[in-house]
Amino acid sequence: SYELTQPPSVSVSPGQTARITCSGDALAKQYAYWYQQKPGQAPVLVIYKDSERPSGIPERFSASSSGTTVMLTISGVQAEDEADYYCQSADSSGTWVFGGGTKLTVL
Amino acid sequence: EVQLVESGGGLVQSGGSLRLSCAASGFTFSSYWMSWVRQAPGKGLEWVANIKQDGNDKYYVDSVKGRFTISRDNAKNLLYLQMNGLRAEDTAVYYCARENGYCSGDNCYSWGFDYWGQGTLVTVSS
Repeated sequence: SYELTQPPSVSVSPGQTARITCSGDALAKQYAYWYQQKPGQAPVLVIYKDSERPSGIPERFSASSSGTTVMLTISGVQAEDEADYYCQSADSSGTWVFGGGTKLTVL
Repeated sequence: EVQLVESGGGLVQSGGSLRLSCAASGFTFSSYWMSWVRQAPGKGLEWVANIKQDGNDKYYVDSVKGRFTISRDNAKNLLYLQMNGLRAEDTAVYYCARENGYCSGDNCYSWGFDYWGQGTLVTVSS
């Protein structure tokens, strides 16, 4: 199995841009997915296939990919964006892995 | 409306067994891969297992191989996770999730886990 590495925490002020990275060797060949999880709630898919946004997800959520690193960007952060964010990818054996998660704090 | 409702969690002693169920509604259950994902208290998400639409392909995280079995009943729109030989480290909230995507022949393409249940808590006492 392989690992996806995320920073444990990111802090931004309201209105600023938050950037959360996720790195792992498999990301060079596999798509990345991003989930938002608020306390006591199930995760919500916010990005799929590296940079696609599901319907209903605000446009301020975007993502990019470069080699073995992917980045989730939240522009114009709002207080409601405070949550844990997880990246996810697959490996060639058909299994999935999540990153360790990043706690986004809106100051 | 898509709904996933887990049940079957509870308190069990180390070495014991539990069977989790996930009742699906609001979509054609037999058309989707399904997964179990767990989250230990205060920890991150961990993918546990998944199963193909027809139940013939199954994958597991290494830590549960040989102890957990994923299965499904497409006639009843139910997903299961049979958990044997439970350990303290299996204590977690267990979520079922729908894997959006499609398969073309032997190739499957995923669009992520687009629907999740609210989870069921499994506590293993040592």
